[in-house]
Amino acid sequence: NAGVTQTPKFQVLKTGQSMTLQCAQDMNHEYMSWYRQDPGMGLRLIHYSVGAGITDQGEVPNGYNVSRSTTEDFPLRLLSAAPSQTSVYFCASKRLAESTDTQYFGPGTRLTVL
Amino acid sequence: GQSLEQPSEVTAVEGAIVQINCTYQTSGFYGLSWYQQHDGGAPTFLSYNALDGLEETGRFSSFLSRSDSYGYLLLQELQMKDSASYFCALQNTNAGKSTFGDGTTLTVKP
Repeated sequence: NAGVTQTPKFQVLKTGQSMTLQCAQDMNHEYMSWYRQDPGMGLRLIHYSVGAGITDQGEVPNGYNVSRSTTEDFPLRLLSAAPSQTSVYFCASKRLAESTDTQYFGPGTRLTVL
Repeated sequence: GQSLEQPSEVTAVEGAIVQINCTYQTSGFYGLSWYQQHDGGAPTFLSYNALDGLEETGRFSSFLSRSDSYGYLLLQELQMKDSASYFCALQNTNAGKSTFGDGTTLTVKP
């Protein structure tokens, strides 16, 4: 299994540009989520999904959109990039009924907005 | 909402035991998790407590006390490779989503 994969690893955008961060998992997990991590801080939940066709907002959803058309993929779209969105973005997945609430994280996308 | 508090930094020597505390405020949760993150890397799952008490996984143990709104991660026989950031996270009763603390940076010295 590849686990959770994310592309790209690094990205530089100009203010106002849009882009999509890709996330895929091959573990047949129902739950997928996107977090952002700013320097010296924890992970803040942007959006999450409990299954194909179902998405919901987390703590910091403004400026981001998601969709979940398949179990495997959960892309994150930045609509109009702003310098405040400079961060490291992690995608994660987990099995919903698991007793240990283990989340599996992708390697992250390091985004800089100029 | 939920909030978690952890010390920002902890330092210990190789071979020692260190405890990283996590206090939280919440109206309800399923359990408390711990994750390790090395510099520049992805968080990796360490331990989970759904019930009060101690869970042991090799050199790592985690403890939860719901009555005290408190948990901790215990690392024994510290090794240099344990230098990393450690995060506690509450599993919300709403759709199982998680809220993370800001993390504790552990530095292990020789």
